[in-house]
Amino acid sequence: AQSVTQLGSHVSVSEGALVLLRCNYSSSVPPYLFWYVQYPNQGLQLLLKYTSAATLVKGINGFEAEFKKSETSFHLTKPSAHMSDAAEYFCAVRHGSSNTGKLIFGQGTTLQVKP
Amino acid sequence: NAGVTQTPKFRVLKTGQSMTLLCAQDMNHEYMYWYRQDPGMGLRLIHYSVGEGTTAKGEVPDGYNVSRLKKQNFLLGLESAAPSQTSVYFCASSYSRGRGQETQYFGPGTRLLVL
Repeated sequence: AQSVTQLGSHVSVSEGALVLLRCNYSSSVPPYLFWYVQYPNQGLQLLLKYTSAATLVKGINGFEAEFKKSETSFHLTKPSAHMSDAAEYFCAVRHGSSNTGKLIFGQGTTLQVKP
Repeated sequence: NAGVTQTPKFRVLKTGQSMTLLCAQDMNHEYMYWYRQDPGMGLRLIHYSVGEGTTAKGEVPDGYNVSRLKKQNFLLGLESAAPSQTSVYFCASSYSRGRGQETQYFGPGTRLLVL
């Protein structure tokens, strides 16, 4: 069965500092992995996704994530935080069933960016 | 192209009352999903549908019913609301091709308060 663990429910960085949000997964089949962002009072928006084409995935707004099979990780990074990056971030793994598209979400990490 | 829309945006119910949440998408997606979001728990799947006229249970289906009479609409019903159903509800949709790597597109959410 698939599962996702996000380490750290809250992460605080200074503007201009490196952003690192951690995600570890477990999956009995080759996974598809996703990062979504949720701005206050809005729905979720896709940042990036891993679909086995390349282990380093680039997304929107300068974010990227690296799939590391040996570590079962898919951490999200951004070299320099901006105030507008303050939001909640969710890592998700596709459910094992291949004909439903269901996702399993982590608990979420709230990113605070200090001036 | 409105994407995924949800009606209503906010609702207050008394315990025991019923209501229906409407989700509509104009992207001709086959798959649709209802999630609930609670603090510290990420998003949990309530029910989903892989096509018009078909529905299935997700992770937390108790107390909810759904219907998908038209491809573009997915309704979530609460027959007898309970305070435990106070939450933010999100609808999402996706294509069916790609064996699970397809992006889910989310609506803006419905905030429900059950007193």
